[in-house]
Amino acid sequence: DAKTTQPTSMDCAEGRAANLPCNHSTISGNEYVYWYRQIHSQGPQYIIHGLKNNETNEMASLIITEDRKSSTLILPHATLRDTAVYYCIVPIRAGNQFYFGTGTSLTVIP
Amino acid sequence: EPEVTQTPSHQVTQMGQEVILRCVPISNHLYFYWYRQILGQKVEFLVSFYNNEISEKSEIFDDQFSVERPDGSNFTLKIRSTKLEDSAMYFCASRAGVLRDYGYTFGSGTRLTVV
Repeated sequence: DAKTTQPTSMDCAEGRAANLPCNHSTISGNEYVYWYRQIHSQGPQYIIHGLKNNETNEMASLIITEDRKSSTLILPHATLRDTAVYYCIVPIRAGNQFYFGTGTSLTVIP
Repeated sequence: EPEVTQTPSHQVTQMGQEVILRCVPISNHLYFYWYRQILGQKVEFLVSFYNNEISEKSEIFDDQFSVERPDGSNFTLKIRSTKLEDSAMYFCASRAGVLRDYGYTFGSGTRLTVV
C-alpha cells in the first residue's frame, strides 16, 4: 500500500515555479522520500531524494518539513517538457520495492 | 549519462508463446528490477534480483515468470506462456548500491502486446 498521498492533478504556467506537495505522515525515521516522474509511457525518471534536509540538484528542489510528514517538490521554472506524472515514493521494506501510486499529473500551460 | 537499455522496444506475441525481454543494466550496478505498467494503470513491482538470486517478488510474479542474469551484463525476464493480460509496458531498473545513496535508473521499457 502507498505510504504517500498526492493531489491527482495540477496545472502550472510555463516559466513559473511548480510546487508539488506530498503527504507521508507514517514515514519512519530512517526512510527516504524519492521523487520520480513519468513522461507519457516512458520509463520513470529519477528527480531527487532526501531524508530530512532540503535538497537541490539541477532538476529540482526538495523541501521536507521538520516533522518529515510532508514534502514539496519544486521545479523552479517549469517548461512544457515538465508535463508529466510526478510520483512521491517512500520505499517499502527497507528500500527495496517502490510503490508507484497514481502520482500527480502536472500540466504546464503555455 | 549511463543508461539502462531495453530491447526490443515493442514485441508482439501470440497467446501461449514464450517471450524473453532483455535489459542491459548500468555496468557497475548491483541490484536489478522488473516493473510493469498495464496501459492506463500504475507502475507495479514484479521482482528484484541481487547477487544472482531473486531477493523479492510480488504476487504478479508467478510460475510463468522467471529472471536470469546469464552473462554478467544482460538481465532477462521470461514469460513462459503469455496471456492476454500480460500485455503491458515492462520496465527494467538497476541501482548501484544502498537505496539511501542511489535511486533506481529505469530503462525506457518494452511494450509487450499479446494477441
